[in-house]
Amino acid sequence: AQSVSQHNHHVILSEAASLELGCNYSYGGTVNLFWYVQYPGQHLQLLLKYFSGDPLVKGIKGFEAEFIKSKFSFNLRKPSVQWSDTAEYFCAVNANQAGTALIFGKGTTLSVSS
Amino acid sequence: SAVISQKPSRDICQRGTSLTIQCQVDSQVTMMFWYRQQPGQSLTLIATANQGSEATYESGFVIDKFPISRPNLTFSTLTVSNMSPEDSSIYLCSVVGDFHYNEQFFGPGTRLTVL
Repeated sequence: AQSVSQHNHHVILSEAASLELGCNYSYGGTVNLFWYVQYPGQHLQLLLKYFSGDPLVKGIKGFEAEFIKSKFSFNLRKPSVQWSDTAEYFCAVNANQAGTALIFGKGTTLSVSS
Repeated sequence: SAVISQKPSRDICQRGTSLTIQCQVDSQVTMMFWYRQQPGQSLTLIATANQGSEATYESGFVIDKFPISRPNLTFSTLTVSNMSPEDSSIYLCSVVGDFHYNEQFFGPGTRLTVL
């Protein structure tokens, strides 16, 4: 069965600390990978996406993620977090064919203290 | 990108009643999805709604409980029928744009509380 696993349920960091959120997936075939963010009281926003090509993708607000096919992983990173990065982060995957729905991980809550 | 609006944004309902949630997109889109996000949980796909055909439901979701309409390429509704407190969730509409067919855009969600 297709699934997405996010290793960390809740991460607490101080400002300027580095961030890495783990994401592994189980999905047959070629996949597309996404990270979404949900700030408190707001709706889901796309942080970054991987379709093909360079496995290191850069997104908005200084975030990046690396697709490692051999490990079925797509970890999210940011070298220096800010208080405004406090949010819920969701990893998601879908099949690399038109119009397939996203499968989401359970999410990771990031709390950044100033 | 696609701009999605949902109505209502939130509602408080009594058990046993039904609520219809509307999703409007600012452009024509091929596929629409309805998700549920229960308190403290991730998003779970309820169904896929294609224009001109019946919705396709995921395991654990049935048409009698969550009837969906998709009358045209910019609009869809999801009804939550015979509600119980367990239906309290955020319901989200999502679309796949025709030109970015592997990227999904999400509406702001409808926060439903069932008493």
